[in-house]
Amino acid sequence: DQQVKQNSPSLSVQEGRISILNCDYTNSMFDYFLWYKKYPAEGPTFLISISSIKDKNEDGRFTVFLNKSAKHLSLHIVPSQPGDSAVYFCAASTGGTSYGKLTFGQGTILTVHP
Amino acid sequence: NAGVTQTPKFRVLKTGQSMTLLCAQDMNHEYMYWYRQDPGMGLRLIHYSVGEGTTAKGEVPDGYNVSRLKKQNFLLGLESAAPSQTSVYFCASKLVETQYFGPGTRLLVL
Repeated sequence: DQQVKQNSPSLSVQEGRISILNCDYTNSMFDYFLWYKKYPAEGPTFLISISSIKDKNEDGRFTVFLNKSAKHLSLHIVPSQPGDSAVYFCAASTGGTSYGKLTFGQGTILTVHP
Repeated sequence: NAGVTQTPKFRVLKTGQSMTLLCAQDMNHEYMYWYRQDPGMGLRLIHYSVGEGTTAKGEVPDGYNVSRLKKQNFLLGLESAAPSQTSVYFCASKLVETQYFGPGTRLLVL
């Protein structure tokens, strides 16, 4: 039972354009969502997060949108840069007594072409 | 400040052998986690710890044991390795809601 799904295994965009990565979840108890970026042979690095009390959070070129009714979140990268090429994972937690345990999606490989 | 470190970086085991993966963090975080990453499956939680001397099972704990004798260290043990345990293992520690990951250990079980 995949509670967090990233249905697009890969995404290719041109440098300077917008990258939109999508994530769907099924567990309505999730109340905190994160995006991680992973380069080959490295560990995931935290990118941006959003609490369920918000519907948008921005940090520089990165914006995360949360649609609770649709159980959907998306990560927008504007403008995209070749250095953004990596695997992006969305993750979710239920807070409270979950002890910060994260449930991850399968990941989306983003390739930004110069 | 090294953050989260993992040793070894890479290891090859034969079926039935045992080994211990070490995770160390210098950020004084209470919570630590072990994940495995397999192709097409994202990261899955093996075990976690909410403080020194405590451990708990995650999503895929079978075949693994853990210990947290010191706050800064979280050990993952494989008592009898199986080919199904071939994977990349990541350790993480948590500050507030954000987990910080180590560089990973690539394990191949033949």
